[in-house]
Amino acid sequence: DTGVSQDPRHKITKRGQNVTFRCDPISEHNRLYWYRQTLGQGPEFLTYFQNEAQLEKSRLLSDRFSAERPKGSFSTLEIQRTEQGDSAMYLCASSTSRDRTALAFGSGTRLTVV
Amino acid sequence: GENVGLHLPTLSVQEGDNSIINCAYSNSASDYFIWYKQESGKGPQFIIDIRSNMDKRQGQRVTVLLNKTVKHLSLQIAATQPGDSAVYFCAENRSAYGGSQGNLIFGKGTKLSVKP
Repeated sequence: DTGVSQDPRHKITKRGQNVTFRCDPISEHNRLYWYRQTLGQGPEFLTYFQNEAQLEKSRLLSDRFSAERPKGSFSTLEIQRTEQGDSAMYLCASSTSRDRTALAFGSGTRLTVV
Repeated sequence: GENVGLHLPTLSVQEGDNSIINCAYSNSASDYFIWYKQESGKGPQFIIDIRSNMDKRQGQRVTVLLNKTVKHLSLQIAATQPGDSAVYFCAENRSAYGGSQGNLIFGKGTKLSVKP
């Protein structure tokens, strides 16, 4: 396990469809984060898990978005009834619980809603 | 307000020269800053971090300087190489705004182009 793994790398979907992305963090990392990045912008925080508990959610995370981390290992991010504005790169990151630890990011899932 | 921004959106340097990328932040209570490098099609890659109790931190070919008086952060890359070409982001920990440790505020990024 050399890094954060995300699947799929690319997803093209029709507007109104549901999509689900998966993230496998670095194995010894108990914290997991989801970020969203649109073209030309920096990543924006969406949500954060410590083990299986979802401890923080951004106001960017509308009711159509849901994230889970059922066993405190991998996580899924589901977007229901996708809209064109959901098109972005969805990044997953993980870290340990040590204070002020830099996040390790995956390569992301690029979502295109047509 | 929350603002981590960059003074220069693009920077072009000659191979072998030193590069300096600047960043400003707005919350004087922010205590942790990170620089990330992002290559096309990849996620951000950690370069170096600095805590607010430090003014300077050095890594391999990189140095981060923190000036808390003017709320300014810079990344210096020595002997810039073509492989350094990427977008560089500074990020501020949002814990000073009440967020979690890993809730980072990213700037828009500076694109560094290295001419051979």
